[in-house]
Amino acid sequence: GAVVSQHPSRVICKSGTSVKIECRSLDFQATTMFWYRQFPKKSLMLMATSNEGSKATYEQGVEKDKFLINHASLTLSTLTVTSAHPEDSSFYICSATALSGANTGELFFGEGSRLTVL
Amino acid sequence: KQEVTQIPAALSVPEGENLVLNCSFTDSAIYNLQWFRQDPGKGLTSLLLIQSSQREQTSGRLNASLDKSSGRSTLYIAASQPGDSATYLCAVRRGNNRLAFGKGNQVVVIP
Repeated sequence: GAVVSQHPSRVICKSGTSVKIECRSLDFQATTMFWYRQFPKKSLMLMATSNEGSKATYEQGVEKDKFLINHASLTLSTLTVTSAHPEDSSFYICSATALSGANTGELFFGEGSRLTVL
Repeated sequence: KQEVTQIPAALSVPEGENLVLNCSFTDSAIYNLQWFRQDPGKGLTSLLLIQSSQREQTSGRLNASLDKSSGRSTLYIAASQPGDSATYLCAVRRGNNRLAFGKGNQVVVIP
């Protein structure tokens, strides 16, 4: 199947700093990527939908100034957690949909990024 | 609002037994349904994708059925192995690309 790569897989930062997480579709083009947050023993929570070349669409309750999303190309979306605080500590996962080919319509997920804010 | 429920939340089976995981959803107007596997601290691995027009999909020991009218999908894993231990997530997709996830079935296969 298609591959989505996330980096870094783990990051520890101090409170008040910013952290950038990258999501890349390695072998397909994706106009749309999604960013999720996962809490322990909870289902994935959609944070925002990232559209190539346009502004991201944020879910209700997600601060767009806190979670900056950029989708500069058909294979790369980034999530920047600005002025991170301990409550931002979580597991962040991205996903992407293939535009064409055998996997069209199927969603593929990255490996996730564990953020710990001290 | 689409709600997805997975039952049971957790189960343990001895190696070799067949696994049956259930997923139900409240709104039958779906684009597709996808089953994922998630290992602790990892991302999601796509297992099977069933389009709304399909009734089932098979891949190796895995078989997933879809009954859209009753809002149900079942994932069967034949002859379970310890390596099948993981959390299995069901996700329903609507036409706007948005996925609604269940909380998962946490499976432990006992050697």
